[in-house]
Amino acid sequence: EVQLVQSGAEVKKPGESLRISCKGSGYIFTDYWISWVRQMPGQGLEWMGRIDPTDSFIKYSPSFQGHVTISADMSVDTAYLQWHRLRASDTAVYFCATQRMAYPFYFDSWGQGTLVKVSS
Amino acid sequence: QSALTQPASVSGSLGQSITISCTGASSDLGDSKYISWYQQHPGKAPKLLIYDVSIRPSGISYRFSGSKSDNAASLTISGLQAEDEADYYCSAYTTRDILYVFGIGTKVTVL
Repeated sequence: EVQLVQSGAEVKKPGESLRISCKGSGYIFTDYWISWVRQMPGQGLEWMGRIDPTDSFIKYSPSFQGHVTISADMSVDTAYLQWHRLRASDTAVYFCATQRMAYPFYFDSWGQGTLVKVSS
Repeated sequence: QSALTQPASVSGSLGQSITISCTGASSDLGDSKYISWYQQHPGKAPKLLIYDVSIRPSGISYRFSGSKSDNAASLTISGLQAEDEADYYCSAYTTRDILYVFGIGTKVTVL
């Protein structure tokens, strides 16, 4: 059974950096893309980008390109989402989700979500 | 960023059927067979209900069904149950740079 376990909630100040993680288990990590999805308070879902853990090929949504960095370490079956300078507007829950490498048209399994709160 | 339109809320009584619509531009929905639906209970992660317009993954109740016509997709929940009370999101794979767009979400209330 595919399982994605994300790192815990974070409280940060504007301008600080942060990296959150998503560890996969129960499947071959390199057989699936990992996508990141944002959900701002009381709002809907927004796709941020995805990574192929095999070669770290990344596709970003234009809305997030340049503000976040997606990476993966297949030696520990973990994907990451990183900010170098957080903004208050980054306050949200962030989900990771898998997509089949050969058929990446939907999101199969989801992590439990990581709450990121950015406040001075 | 949301490109797909859904009703903000839909309600129905126990045992009834309800339908949630999802509409968008032809560039997002019109040519795409890659429409999926997700259920999200408060404080929980989304869960895949339907993919490729109408296919249910293993373990998803037959009470959930999907369809599409032109630029509109629909999710029907039949035999409404208390545990169906949740938010529902449609999603489409597009050939635009954004790749994946979601609807704004529909809150389903079971009366």
